[in-house]
Amino acid sequence: NAGVMQNPRHLVRRRGQEARLRCSPMKGHSHVYWYRQLPEEGLKFMVYLQKENIIDESGMPKERFSAEFPKEGPSILRIQQVVRGDSAAYFCASSPGSRNQPQHFGDGTRLSIL
Amino acid sequence: GIQVEQSPPDLILQEGANSTLRCNFSDSVNNLQWFHQNPWGQLINLFYIPSGTKQNGRLSATTVATERYSLLYISSSQTTDSGVYFCAVGSSNTGKLIFGQGTTLQVKP
Repeated sequence: NAGVMQNPRHLVRRRGQEARLRCSPMKGHSHVYWYRQLPEEGLKFMVYLQKENIIDESGMPKERFSAEFPKEGPSILRIQQVVRGDSAAYFCASSPGSRNQPQHFGDGTRLSIL
Repeated sequence: GIQVEQSPPDLILQEGANSTLRCNFSDSVNNLQWFHQNPWGQLINLFYIPSGTKQNGRLSATTVATERYSLLYISSSQTTDSGVYFCAVGSSNTGKLIFGQGTTLQVKP
């Protein structure tokens, strides 16, 4: 019974490149959340998705960031034209429902920008 | 939006000691979870506890929803308990979690 799978675990990009982070939810979970943890800080909500729909993107930066959760395959968090300030740990969580349900977290992707 | 405050921010214990971590929140919630972030950065799910009391080995947690706080008890602490403990609450229809700033625990041998 695999947990939430994130890959890659570590990702290094140069300024201006694109970063793609992947998240496969737990089996039977159709709700995916992305959170970002900047160095020495707590986690901040970014976006909540169900299959083929973005439900809440109130935590997403206005530019360069996008997320999707297609009908088939993992959820993708995409960062275009990365900058040094994007360096962080990005966590994905999944749950079977949106309310009154625990969220299960993956091990995160550590993104480093050179 | 809802505010989450954790105390103390830092805690140093001798191995074998007990401790209580607190989480205060500013509004009613439909989700409350406690996590342990280990030194490798992994988030370990400790408790899902929007109300009531739960126990798991040396750890237990109590949430008093009407008074808007939750407590995490660690008994007979071990060096492997070191790390950051986060409380996170959810109150919206979308279920997004709002995290506190965490309590950094160091257990010395």
